[in-house]
Amino acid sequence: GAVVSQHPSWVICKSGTSVKIECRSLDFQATTMFWYRQFPKQSLMLMATSNEGSKATYEQGVEKDKFLINHASLTLSTLTVTSAHPEDSSFYICSARDGGGGIEQYFGPGTRLTVT
Amino acid sequence: GQQVMQIPQYQHVQEGEDFTTYCNSSTTLSNIQWYKQRPGGHPVFLIQLVKSGEVKKQKRLTFQFGEAKKNSSLHITATQTTDVGTYFCSSDSWGKLQFGAGTQVVVTP
Repeated sequence: GAVVSQHPSWVICKSGTSVKIECRSLDFQATTMFWYRQFPKQSLMLMATSNEGSKATYEQGVEKDKFLINHASLTLSTLTVTSAHPEDSSFYICSARDGGGGIEQYFGPGTRLTVT
Repeated sequence: GQQVMQIPQYQHVQEGEDFTTYCNSSTTLSNIQWYKQRPGGHPVFLIQLVKSGEVKKQKRLTFQFGEAKKNSSLHITATQTTDVGTYFCSSDSWGKLQFGAGTQVVVTP
């Protein structure tokens, strides 16, 4: 099946700093990617839809100025958590669907962010 | 979006037993997808159901979509330790997935 990678797999940063997370589709092109956040023992919550070559669309309650999304190519989307705070500590996961028309969504391995 | 509720949130199963997890919505769903997330891992797609009353099987897993397309179930027979993980149902709307709370399954030998 298709592969989605994420980097880094985990990161620890200090409060007030910014962190960039990369999501790559390795063997397919994805015009659309999705970013989710998952707190311990909770479900995945959709944060935003990343669109190649255009602005991301954010779900209600997600601050677009805090979670900057850039989708510069058909295989790469980035999520930057700006001015991170301890409450931003979470598991961030991206997903993508093969643009060839498949229904299956492929998830990246996730990035564990800890803000101290 | 189309919200889905999932029960139970926790399922403790003896190896060899069967169990079922349920997914319900107050609105008609266009489709339902099921994912499995192993501890520390990421969600992995299992199946999608689209048609009213649809039933699909994958070895020991049986997926069902209700006649009214408002509920779905996942039934696992003869549970094995490899079935450990959290099972999520989700509705797919233009690629955007709205996940249920998930059923965390623990299997004891």
